[in-house]
Order: sequence, then structure tokens, then C-alpha cells
Amino acid sequence: DSGVTQTPKHLITATGQRVTLRCSPRSGDLSVYWYQQSLDQGLQFLIQYYNGEERAKGNILERFSAQQFPDLHSELNLSSLELGDSALYFCASSVEGPSDTQYFGPGTRLTVL
Amino acid sequence: GENVEQHPSTLSVQEGDSAVIKCTYSDSASNYFPWYKQELGKGPQLIIDIRSNVGEKKDQRIAVTLNKTAKHFSLHITETQPEDSAVYFCAASRGNQGGKLIFGQGTELSVKP
Repeated sequence: DSGVTQTPKHLITATGQRVTLRCSPRSGDLSVYWYQQSLDQGLQFLIQYYNGEERAKGNILERFSAQQFPDLHSELNLSSLELGDSALYFCASSVEGPSDTQYFGPGTRLTVL
Repeated sequence: GENVEQHPSTLSVQEGDSAVIKCTYSDSASNYFPWYKQELGKGPQLIIDIRSNVGEKKDQRIAVTLNKTAKHFSLHITETQPEDSAVYFCAASRGNQGGKLIFGQGTELSVKP
């Protein structure tokens, strides 16, 4: 158990809908990262937050957004969902950021029908 | 752009044999290189990492080597066991862009008893 928690574990929804994925980092970790894992794209970095502020951004779609709250938990919002958004979404956390070990949560499996 | 190539994509070995997975990276500013193991239905789990000021690191049956000149790093698993069967990912990051990890495509390792 990495200490990173993610909810829900599974999510099934329809195209055009909006969902929110939640992540709680390990105790003491200030950075949260979101990754998408799909069969064709592999593990892709989406976005990083550090202590409530956005620190780095990957190829995150404009339909996707994230935030980190004062209690350091983070939410990833996916809107106007398309079939191609079906994937595993992982949250990871680290103490700070650069070159710190990232610990991954168990993931949320999103299925868009 | 930033890219990490990983080979082979699948690897099958007999129990007790050694396994080697190789990665090359394109960004010469990368300075942190973790390896993750992902079992079915779970999130990636860090198994070993190496930083650019070190050429080799070992932890029991697992070792990683880094050649910064060639932009190449490798994972070595000795005395493989059936429980080593999983998908292994290499990754690279540079500290000044947060902790964004660029992942390789993964290697599915199968250890046959």
C-alpha cells in the first residue's frame, strides 16, 4: 500500500458527461501528479500541483481540469467525455517535486460508453 | 521532444535466470530515473531509482545502471521468481520542470516456474 488513495475505483459513464476523480496524497506529501494510462498511449503525465499551486502541465486536454485543495487532496475533472477518454487515471504524490520519489495510488478505471 | 524508449516489450525467462530491460532517453537534462513494477489491476510501484550523479545502484536482486553519455539506463533482475512477473516501466525526469515523469512503453516480464 503506497499510502495514496483514489476514489472511485471504477467509473462508468456516457459520452458528453462530466466526472470527478479524487486523490488523497500520502501524509506529508505536498505534490500531487495525475497520469493517464491507456493501451495506445501508455502512461502519460497530465498535470502536477504543489501545495495548492499548478506546477507543471503535460498534454492535458482543455476539457480536463484539476485542482489541489488546502487539505492537499486533489480532484481531476473530466468533462464532455468521449469514448477515447476511457483509461486508467492514476494519482501520485511526492514530498515536494524535482527528483522526489513519486508514489502511485491504485487508480480509477474510467469507462465511457 | 522528450522521449523514453524501452526494450524489449515482452520478456520471458525461466525461474532463476536473470532479466535485463533497457531504456534510452532523449532529454540530456534528465537527472532522475525510476523503475516501476505494475501488477494487474494495481498502480505502478517504485522498485528502484537512480540519480544522475550515480552510475549504479543495487537493492538485493535488483540493480540499475546508468550511462549518461549514452543516455541509457538498464534494470537487472537476478534469480528471478514467478512473483517477479509483471509489467515494468522505466521513466525519466528533469528537476526543473517539476517532477514530471516521462515513461517508457513498458516491458511485460513473465517468469516461468
